[in-house]
Amino acid sequence: SQKIEQNSEALNIQEGKTATLTCNYTNYSPAYLQWYRQDPGRGPVFLLLIRENEKEKRKERLKVTFDTTLKQSLFHITASQPADSATYLCALEPSSASKIIFGSGTRLSIRP
Amino acid sequence: GAVVSQHPSRVICKSGTSVKIECRSLDFQATTMFWYRQFPKQSLMLMATSNEGSKATYEQGVEKDKFLINHASLTLSTLTVTSAHPEDSSFYICSARDTGETNEKLFFGSGTQLSVL
Repeated sequence: SQKIEQNSEALNIQEGKTATLTCNYTNYSPAYLQWYRQDPGRGPVFLLLIRENEKEKRKERLKVTFDTTLKQSLFHITASQPADSATYLCALEPSSASKIIFGSGTRLSIRP
Repeated sequence: GAVVSQHPSRVICKSGTSVKIECRSLDFQATTMFWYRQFPKQSLMLMATSNEGSKATYEQGVEKDKFLINHASLTLSTLTVTSAHPEDSSFYICSARDTGETNEKLFFGSGTQLSVL
């Protein structure tokens, strides 16, 4: 069956450390993968998109990698801050359909 | 950046009534909008894809007669929850892509928290 899994439901780390979130998918062949941030009671906000021919993408303190062999994407936040606390969702568009499917999300908490 | 406006943000209704949720793209045109539902501490579950000028495409297990979708213009899609029941209580979120852009990202509304008594 097709799955998008974010292995950690919750992640707690110390401020200043690097947070690393994992997204694995099964039985999909996406041309790209996206990451979103969602705060409680709000809609998700787009952060980064990485294509299948890109190994790594960066935006300020954010870095995303994409390994199509492992069928995995890693999302890193360096020099983490309490304001980075939120739920982070990975998403992909199945090659067979024009829709976006989301992973289960990782609730990240950065403690001062 | 592109803005998607969703109203109402919160609605409480009695069981058996119908509730309409509006989703508008404010500064761009969207031939396609997506409706998601999210239960507490769970991810977004795609309910249906709303296509301007044609019928919506529903995901497996979503009742099209219960969740009526209308996408009459390039900037407005509505979701009507008919004969709502307590199990329909959830957070409903719409999203859209900018038709004029090649970017694949979604812009989301702020969501509607539906509580059915």
